[in-house]
Amino acid sequence: EADIYQTPRYLVIGTGKKITLECSQTMGHDKMYWYQQDPGMELHLIHYSYGVNSTEKGDLSSESTVSRIRTEHFPLTLESARPSHTSQYLCASSEFRGSGYNEQFFGPGTRLTVL
Amino acid sequence: GNSVTQMEGPVTLSEEAFLTINCTYTATGYPSLFWYVQYPGEGLQLLLKATKADDKGSNKGFEATYRKETTSFHLEKGSVQVSDSAVYFCALINDYKLSFGAGTTVTVRA
Repeated sequence: EADIYQTPRYLVIGTGKKITLECSQTMGHDKMYWYQQDPGMELHLIHYSYGVNSTEKGDLSSESTVSRIRTEHFPLTLESARPSHTSQYLCASSEFRGSGYNEQFFGPGTRLTVL
Repeated sequence: GNSVTQMEGPVTLSEEAFLTINCTYTATGYPSLFWYVQYPGEGLQLLLKATKADDKGSNKGFEATYRKETTSFHLEKGSVQVSDSAVYFCALINDYKLSFGAGTTVTVRA
């Protein structure tokens, strides 16, 4: 079944650790995205990708980095986690087509807590 | 730029009550409009969509009509259930960028 997956679902980690949040989709979508959802529920785009070897920064500045070596995989890395990184991270994907309907499909999210 | 403004919550209703969540937007061109829903502990799910003016999106008893003249996309449901308790996000896509409203928390009491 075509879907979008995120692991881990929950992560509690100490300050200074390096972490990678995984995101994979089996829908063959070209575009993928990372959003950060703060406790007030607002979502902010932090990274996106048009396809393999393409990565762009989103509207909200983030200390995280992303890579897109395979179409289906879009991991997000924090080199040194800090308490200010505590948040929910949502991955999404969409088809890359012309104007109009280009719905984004979301993964279940990773809730990160940095102590 | 693009922006979405939706009704602030939280909203608390009794079962079978009528629900309206207001949403207005600012965008250039012709965006597509969406309502997403986030149930407790889960990711975002698309609830309904509309891609052009006067389109009506509908799903699970929810409806919203794309009103270009008022730049609005209000969400309505005639009779809510406890299972409708969730956070609802209005969103638009313009030039492949998705812009979300702040979300409205809805709680339905039995």
